Amino acid sequence: DTEVTQTPKHLVMGMTNKKSLKCEQHMGHRAMYWYKQKAKKPPELMFVYSYEKLSINESVPSRFSPECPNSSLLNLHLHALQPEDSALYLCASTYTATNEKLFFGSGTQLSVL
Amino acid sequence: QQQVKQSPQSLIVQKGGISIINCAYENTAFDYFPWYQQFPGKGPALLIAIRPDVSEKKEGRFTISFNKSAKQFSLHIMDSQPGDSATYFCAASGIYNQGGKLIFGQGTELSVKP
Repeated sequence: DTEVTQTPKHLVMGMTNKKSLKCEQHMGHRAMYWYKQKAKKPPELMFVYSYEKLSINESVPSRFSPECPNSSLLNLHLHALQPEDSALYLCASTYTATNEKLFFGSGTQLSVL
Repeated sequence: QQQVKQSPQSLIVQKGGISIINCAYENTAFDYFPWYQQFPGKGPALLIAIRPDVSEKKEGRFTISFNKSAKQFSLHIMDSQPGDSATYFCAASGIYNQGGKLIFGQGTELSVKP
């Protein structure tokens, strides 16, 4: 299994809603990542978890809250988002945080109304 | 110094032609240079990658050329096919530079016409 699975594929939410994005991998990878991608732009790193501990937070607003319940799962909790947060949210994983081969999921297309 | 500059922004190639995308970097601490391919509605997928100890790497129709002295690398797609139409991102990282964080170029939207 070489897949990173993300759910849901699409999400529409209001600015007062609370929602969560989920990511799962069964490749035995110990580093997991959240990226944000705007249309026609490269992915931007948001968070890195290494061995289930948050190792990098790229100064992301607190309305985005990551969680890594175990080595296979990664969540991104969303609360009080703004319309400018609408984007494709990508999960990725690598064997370790210093291993360069990044496997991306297909992403969650988020629209904030 | 953290930037990776990619060109062109968009590229139209006829079927069977050669697609060439170029990237340049400044940081000599970078030691890993991957190319990612992204189709609409999908996440990026690693296509091919190179390290600075070789000048060229070929996998099927895809070739990376690397010029360490010029700090440039490029992706060549031979015999381009309509199925190659996608956005391509070059990237760079270095273990001694922010622990291997990938720095992406701005992307090239490739369209291969039948």
